[in-house]
Amino acid sequence: DAKTTQPPSMDCAEGRAANLPCNHSTISGNEYVYWYRQIHSQGPQYIIHGLKNNETNEMASLIITEDRKSSTLILPHATLRDTAVYYCIASGAGSYQLTFGKGTKLSVIP
Amino acid sequence: SAVISQKPSRDICQRGTSLTIQCQVDSQVTMMFWYRQQPGQSLTLIATANQGSEATYESGFVIDKFPISRPNLTFSTLTVSNMSPEDSSIYLCSVAGQGIGGYTFGSGTRLTVV
Repeated sequence: DAKTTQPPSMDCAEGRAANLPCNHSTISGNEYVYWYRQIHSQGPQYIIHGLKNNETNEMASLIITEDRKSSTLILPHATLRDTAVYYCIASGAGSYQLTFGKGTKLSVIP
Repeated sequence: SAVISQKPSRDICQRGTSLTIQCQVDSQVTMMFWYRQQPGQSLTLIATANQGSEATYESGFVIDKFPISRPNLTFSTLTVSNMSPEDSSIYLCSVAGQGIGGYTFGSGTRLTVV
């Protein structure tokens, strides 16, 4: 898995969009970008993944730069329940393994 | 996505004893994964468990300390053997999603060794 770099922490006001950046400058052509989050004392929860096109689902949007060296996870309207550690992972489709970094601790402020 | 039931959710154990953690999935899966999350740290993969073959351990983890069973396609166990306080962690099982989709994680077992 390619190494990823994320800021250790971020704050976001409740109701505003949370934009979480991730650098993965050494990502290879067959590696996907995955995002997970871990709410305190729970197992990680899958959010979204993408290869090179932007993706959107009911939880979030994923914006991947054209050179694929970085991406941004967007939570469009953050709520207090979105407070969690967010992990960005670059992993090959066939690797069947996830390498977790330290992630970004997002605090949603009332 | 798969639903995982992990037991126990937490336990406090005496040093020198062993604890077996169970992971039950509601559908058949080829690979199951066991992770450890030490206090304040990220997740570290312990091993990959395939049905019908021995588990594959990551560097720093050995079978004698973390024996794994995988008797069928919906169930696996991880045993933490001869525990010491350094084994106090959250242990999680995980399965791969359909195709190249996301992985599903159990809710974890919070282990405290005293």
